[in-house]
Amino acid sequence: DAMVIQNPRYQVTQFGKPVTLSCSQTLNHNVMYWYQQKSSQAPKLLFHYYDKDFNNEADTPDNFQSRRPNTSFCFLDIRSPGLGDAAMYLCATSREGTDYEQYFGPGTRLTVT
Amino acid sequence: GEDVEQSLFLSVREGDSSVINCTYTDSSSTYLYWYKQEPGAGLQLLTYIFSNMDMKQDQRLTVLLNKKDKHLSLRIADTQTGDSAIYFCAEFAGGYNKLIFGAGTRLAVHP
Repeated sequence: DAMVIQNPRYQVTQFGKPVTLSCSQTLNHNVMYWYQQKSSQAPKLLFHYYDKDFNNEADTPDNFQSRRPNTSFCFLDIRSPGLGDAAMYLCATSREGTDYEQYFGPGTRLTVT
Repeated sequence: GEDVEQSLFLSVREGDSSVINCTYTDSSSTYLYWYKQEPGAGLQLLTYIFSNMDMKQDQRLTVLLNKKDKHLSLRIADTQTGDSAIYFCAEFAGGYNKLIFGAGTRLAVHP
C-alpha cells in the first residue's frame, strides 16, 4: 500500500542534543510537509518542499531545519532541542495541483529530557 | 489572518448522533476538512468539502457548510465507541497554500 512512513515513532533526546526525524513516502508526491503538534493543540506547519524548493513558515524557529535528498525522503533536523520542542511531529505529502489533499504519516513523538 | 475554532470536548451516548462544530475566518478557503486522530496516531482524513457545496454525505458522516456564517459541522450517525478520538477541523487557506487546523474536539462515547 502506498503510504507515508515516519521513523522512529518515539524519539527521546537530551536538551541541546541534535536530533533528526525521518519521513519517507511511496506515493511519489512532489510536495512534503512537516507539522508540529504540541499537546492539546492544533498541528502547525513548520515548512514544506515543492520538489527541491524549500518553503519556510515565517514563524518557524531557526533551530528547525529540513533536508530533502530525493522525492521519497524528507528529514527534520532540530539543532539544539529545548524542552519546548517536545511535541508530535507530523509529516504529510501531496501532489502539486492537489495540495488540498494531504496525506499524513503516523507522526513521531519527541521527548526532550 | 486565518483562524479555525472548535469546541474542545463532546460527550455522547453510544448509538446517538454526534455533531461537532467549527468556525473559520478565511472567506477565500476553497476546501474544508475533518480529520480524525486516535491516541498516539497521526491524522486520518475523514472527509472534505469544496466551498461551493452545502452538504456532503459519506456513510455515517454528514458535513454541513454554511459559507455565509463560515460554519462547518460534522455529524456522525449511530456513534460507536470506536469513534472516540480527537476531530480536527481544517481549512485550506489558498492564499497561503497550507492547511490551517483548529485545536481539535475530543469526542468521548460512553455506553
